[in-house]
Amino acid sequence: GDSVTQMEGPVTLSEEAFLTINCTYTATGYPSLFWYVQYPGEGLQLLLKATKADDKGSNKGFEATYRKETTSFHLEKGSVQVSDSAVYFCALSEGPQGGSEKLVFGKGTKLTVNP
Amino acid sequence: DAMVIQNPRYQVTQFGKPVTLSCSQTLNHNVMYWYQQKSSQAPKLLFHYYDKDFNNEADTPDNFQSRRPNTSFCFLDIRSPGLGDAAMYLCATSRLLPGGTDTQYFGPGTRLTVL
Repeated sequence: GDSVTQMEGPVTLSEEAFLTINCTYTATGYPSLFWYVQYPGEGLQLLLKATKADDKGSNKGFEATYRKETTSFHLEKGSVQVSDSAVYFCALSEGPQGGSEKLVFGKGTKLTVNP
Repeated sequence: DAMVIQNPRYQVTQFGKPVTLSCSQTLNHNVMYWYQQKSSQAPKLLFHYYDKDFNNEADTPDNFQSRRPNTSFCFLDIRSPGLGDAAMYLCATSRLLPGGTDTQYFGPGTRLTVL
């Protein structure tokens, strides 16, 4: 079945450092790809998404490009802040099954940014 | 603002005592999902509704049930909670578009403690 593999954490960076969190996927079709962020004690928030090859999703200084040739959707940010400390989940959306769609998540990467 | 609301945010129950978690949405989405997220793990889909059609995941225990009385509300019932059911329970909604994918929007989650 479809699956998502993301970079093992935890990741610890200093403020203003460059961030990359790697994400690769396996899918039989043409999934949509997502990054969700989860702050401590809270639910998931959509950070960005891309629905087709070569699309770039961006939000709050984060970016990720849908690369079909490498089946990747790596998350990047040029200068992280302490407030970016959270767990980041890469996910894909499978095609319609039984009239609906299902998200498949990676295991999550915990990011800690120190001042 | 349109949103996904979960009540309560924190729920404590006793081993074997039935518990119900609530989710409501003002997005008028036709699909609603329940996920279980254990500590430091990715969310795991339990089941979802497409309108009133219920779709259970193959590995969801019988102990977990759900009800969707109308478009706006969906409930998760745990008939006899065990210690292993302690987790964050996430509700999400999405809109199914013809031939396309749509984004899932998550509520803040209910953290369940089983004593």
